[in-house]
Amino acid sequence: EVELVESGGGLVEPGRSLRIACAASGFNFEDHAMHWVRQAPGKGLEWVSGISWNSASIDYADSVKGRFTISRDNARNSLYLQMNSLTAEDTALYYCAKDKAAAGPGSLDYWGQGTLVTVSS
Amino acid sequence: QSVLTQPPSVSEAPGKRVTISCTGSSSNIGAGYDVNWYQHVSGAAPKLLIYDDTKRPSGVPDRFSGSKSGTSASLAITGLQAEDEADYYCQSYDNALSVSLFGTGTKLIVL
Repeated sequence: EVELVESGGGLVEPGRSLRIACAASGFNFEDHAMHWVRQAPGKGLEWVSGISWNSASIDYADSVKGRFTISRDNARNSLYLQMNSLTAEDTALYYCAKDKAAAGPGSLDYWGQGTLVTVSS
Repeated sequence: QSVLTQPPSVSEAPGKRVTISCTGSSSNIGAGYDVNWYQHVSGAAPKLLIYDDTKRPSGVPDRFSGSKSGTSASLAITGLQAEDEADYYCQSYDNALSVSLFGTGTKLIVL
């Protein structure tokens, strides 16, 4: 059974950094692209970033480009998102999602339950 | 950043049929990129409903169907049930922005 478990969320002050992680199991992690998607309070889904199976292809939404860095460790079946220079607009529930394809971007067939990031002083 | 436009809400009675539109442009849907649809019930993880424009993942009822034409796509739901009440999102890739995009989202209300 595919399982994606996010961790590392919490309350952080504006301007600070936070790294969230996603532990994957139940599938061949190294064969699939992975993504981060967020949902701010009262808002819709927003794609944040995606990374191909071998980390050769990485994309970011304009809203996070230059501040966020996605990475993966295939040996540890883990996905990460390093978030720097956080602002209140980054407050959201962050979901980890598995791509059906290796290179992406494709459809997201499995999602975690999300980790909440709150940026506030 | 979303350039995939959906109606904010749609409503229909149980047992009826409803469609949700997703309007894009020549750099995403119109460029031939696949459209995917997700169902998001409050408090739960989003669920893939339709992928590659028209395909249903295993376990998704055939009451749900997808179509695409030109720069737009649609999700149709027949035999509406109370449990279908949720937010629905389309998703595609945009080659002008080099990003994956979700639509603005549609809240389905089952009367």
